[in-house]
Amino acid sequence: EIVLTQSPATLSLSPGERATLSCRASQSVSSYLAWYQQKPGQAPRLLIYDASNRATGIPARFSGSGSGTDFTLTISSLEPEDFAVYYCQQRSNWPLYTFGQGTKLEIK
Amino acid sequence: EVQLVESGGGLVKPGGSLRLSCAASGFTFSSYSMNWVRQAPGKGLEWVSSISSSSSYIYYADSVKGRFTISRDNAKNSLYLQMNSLRAEDTAVYYCAREKDWFDPWGQGTLVTVSS
Repeated sequence: EIVLTQSPATLSLSPGERATLSCRASQSVSSYLAWYQQKPGQAPRLLIYDASNRATGIPARFSGSGSGTDFTLTISSLEPEDFAVYYCQQRSNWPLYTFGQGTKLEIK
Repeated sequence: EVQLVESGGGLVKPGGSLRLSCAASGFTFSSYSMNWVRQAPGKGLEWVSSISSSSSYIYYADSVKGRFTISRDNAKNSLYLQMNSLRAEDTAVYYCAREKDWFDPWGQGTLVTVSS
């Protein structure tokens, strides 16, 4: 099983600041990594797929980078609606998908 | 608009059974693989099961293998999850999700609580 480890567990920032979230895989997943956003009481929403491609309708302030075992989700300037939990997911080991444990982005 | 709506959740005793449904609309259901993903209260996401568009390929997480059965009815645009021998650790919100490499979109989820 490929284990995804996200850091930090919690990130406290203010609106307008830049957020950098990390996801590390226990073995290479190439570029087969996605990022999801989940707000309280809502289903997850696909943000980034194949490591660096924004999903339909996702604002340009969201960007993804990385390959192999180290990946980053960057939010260039935080908006109030961006405070949520973010999960990474790999499909390199299809169909045994795995998710990271999540990073909670909270308002400072 | 692409929409997925789960139903069938509820309270069930350990060892009991439950059948979840996911009604799809706004897209050609028969063209997509579908998945179930669950989330225990206050916890992260766990992939549960996957079924290909024609039901030819079916996969399960080890945690549910032998107890859960995924199925679909393309004529009814519906996805199902039959859950047997339920355990306390199966308590979670269960989401269905359309798959085209990645999971997008997801339904709103249905809560399954396994408790005596």
